[in-house]
Amino acid sequence: SAVISQKPSRDICQRGTSLTIQCQVDSQVTMMFWYRQQPGQSLTLIATANQGSEATYESGFVIDKFPISRPNLTFSTLTVSNMSPEDSSIYLCSVSEGRDSQPQHFGDGTRLSIL
Amino acid sequence: GENVEQHPSTLSVQEGDSAVIKCTYSDSASNYFPWYKQELGKGPQLIIDIRSNVGEKKDQRIAVTLNKTAKHFSLHITETQPEDSAVYFCAAISGTASKLTFGTGTRLQVTL
Repeated sequence: SAVISQKPSRDICQRGTSLTIQCQVDSQVTMMFWYRQQPGQSLTLIATANQGSEATYESGFVIDKFPISRPNLTFSTLTVSNMSPEDSSIYLCSVSEGRDSQPQHFGDGTRLSIL
Repeated sequence: GENVEQHPSTLSVQEGDSAVIKCTYSDSASNYFPWYKQELGKGPQLIIDIRSNVGEKKDQRIAVTLNKTAKHFSLHITETQPEDSAVYFCAAISGTASKLTFGTGTRLQVTL
C-alpha cells in the first residue's frame, strides 16, 4: 500500500493562529481524505480533498475554518484556522487508490495542541 | 446517514485467549467493512476487511464475520499476544456515499 507522510507530526500553537498540515503520498492516489480524532475518541471525516477543485466538506466542517488544497495526485494540505483549545486533536490524512474509497490507508497523524 | 455501534469499549484478555469485538451498522446499502488497529502515537492500520458478498474472511490469527441480515460484523483474534494490545476500530462504507463511518473503538489489553 501507499506510504503516507504527514508533517508536522505534532505541534503546540497559540490560540488565534493557523497551522497548515501537509500530507505526501509516495504514489498517485485517486482519493485523499482528512479526518479529526479528538482525544480518546473515534475518527470523524472532515472533508474529501478533490484534485483541482474545492474539497467536499462533511456536516459541521466549513471551508473557512479548514481550508484544503490538493494540487496533484500525491499531495494535500489541511489548514486549521483561527485555532482555539477545542481544535486540539489528532488530524489524519488517508488515501484510497480506488474511486470507491476502498480500502483507505492512514498516515500517522498530526497531534495538535492549542494553548 | 450510516451509524456504526461498537462493543465492548474495553476488553481485557489473557495472553493466548481469544478476543471478539462486535459492530452493528444501520445502512443496509453498506457494502464494505474494514477493521483498523491503532497503536499509541500511530495512525489507524488496516488489518482486515470484508465485502458484503462474503460471510467470513480469515488472515492467520484474525478473522472477520459478516451477517448482512442482522447488519452486524465481528472481529475475532485468536491466540492473543501482548502486541495485539491497541485500540481497534470497525468501520463501514455505503456504496452510495463512499464515506467511511467509524465505530467508537475498543481498547484491547492482552495481559501476561
